[in-house]
Amino acid sequence: DIQMTQSPSSLSASVGDRVTITCRTSQSISTYLNWYQQKPGEAPKVLIYAVSSLQSGVPSRFSGSGSGADFTLTISSLQPEDFATYYCQQSYTTSWTFGQGTKVEIK
Amino acid sequence: EVQLVESGGGLVQPGGSLRLSCAASGFTFSGQWMSWVRQAPGKGLEWVANINQDGSEKYYVDSVKGRFTISRDNARISLYLQMKSLRAEDTAVYYCATNSGSQARGAYYFGFWGQGTLVTVSS
Repeated sequence: DIQMTQSPSSLSASVGDRVTITCRTSQSISTYLNWYQQKPGEAPKVLIYAVSSLQSGVPSRFSGSGSGADFTLTISSLQPEDFATYYCQQSYTTSWTFGQGTKVEIK
Repeated sequence: EVQLVESGGGLVQPGGSLRLSCAASGFTFSGQWMSWVRQAPGKGLEWVANINQDGSEKYYVDSVKGRFTISRDNARISLYLQMKSLRAEDTAVYYCATNSGSQARGAYYFGFWGQGTLVTVSS
């Protein structure tokens, strides 16, 4: 199975900060990398799919980049509603896996 | 509007069985791959199983192979997860989700999610 290593596991940031979360996979996964946001008590929702495609309705301050086995989620200017946990996820093989999550907290 | 409503969760003893259901609406259910994803209390997300449009292809995470069975009834517009030989480590919120994307787009992802149903395995 493809292993996912997400970092950091948590971070503290202020409103307006630029935030970067990284996800590394144990092998190259082409473009089959997605990002999700989950707030407490809610179901996750997709933010970015295929590395860099923004899901409809997601603010443009969210962006994704990367290739091969190294990927990044960037929030250009953190907003109060962005404090949540973020997960990367690969769908390259028939056995899908998530990263362990990054909790973004208020500084 | 896409809606996915899970049901069937509850408290079950170790070794017991439970069947989860997911009622879908607002999209062409019979044309969509579907999934179950779970989240143990305070933990991260774990993909559990996928099923294709007519139920002829099914994939599972290793930890549930031989114990869980994903199925669907397109006439009833419903997805199911039959769980047997349940263990304490199966305790989680179980989400039903649609599979969006395609090989042509270079992406498969969980497009829509239900609100989840809690399964607790404990004596």
